[in-house]
Amino acid sequence: DIQLTQSPSSLSASVGDRVTIACRASQAISNYLSWYQQKPGKAPQLLIYGASTLQSGVPSRFSGSGSGTDFTLTISSLQAEDFAIYFCHQSYNTPPNTFGQGTKLEIK
Amino acid sequence: QVQLQESGPGLVKPSQTLSLTCTVSGVSIGTGSFYWSWIRQPAGKGLEWIGHIYTSGRTDYNPSFKSRVTISVDTSKSHFSLKLSSVTAADTAVYYCARLYFYDANGSYSSGRFDPWGQGTPVTVSS
Repeated sequence: DIQLTQSPSSLSASVGDRVTIACRASQAISNYLSWYQQKPGKAPQLLIYGASTLQSGVPSRFSGSGSGTDFTLTISSLQAEDFAIYFCHQSYNTPPNTFGQGTKLEIK
Repeated sequence: QVQLQESGPGLVKPSQTLSLTCTVSGVSIGTGSFYWSWIRQPAGKGLEWIGHIYTSGRTDYNPSFKSRVTISVDTSKSHFSLKLSSVTAADTAVYYCARLYFYDANGSYSSGRFDPWGQGTPVTVSS
């Protein structure tokens, strides 16, 4: 199975900050990576797929990059509604689909 | 607009079978190139993919569930179902259904993504 390791596991930041979350795959997965945002008590929501394609309706302050084994999710200017948990997901070598362990983004 | 909604018992006894249903609206469950999926999340933990059923009826399961899991579809009722047998307390989690797909609206193949998700249903395994 392909393992995804996110870093950091948690992060404190302020409104207006630029934030980057990393996701590393245990083997090359081309660009078969997507990112999700999960708020408390809610289901995850798709932000980015194909490593860098923004899902329709997602604000442009979110961006993704990377290919192979190393990927990043960047929020260019944090808004209050962005404080949540973020997960990466690989669909390159399935089954099984696998997820990163999550990064909790908290208010400083 | 595609919507998914989970339903089923919130409490299951140890060693029994957990049964959940996901009702799909806004799209025909039997057409298109979609994988109708189950994912779970124990409280305070990460996401674990359980398995999916393709529109053709083919299933794939997470090997970690071995032979305990069965996913089926009823196109006449526009829903798909999860059965997880011999449950233990470790199966206590919020269970989500979601659609996995690989094609863009213009027909181009791309990376798979889960969208949309159901709201999730909590299941507790306890006597």
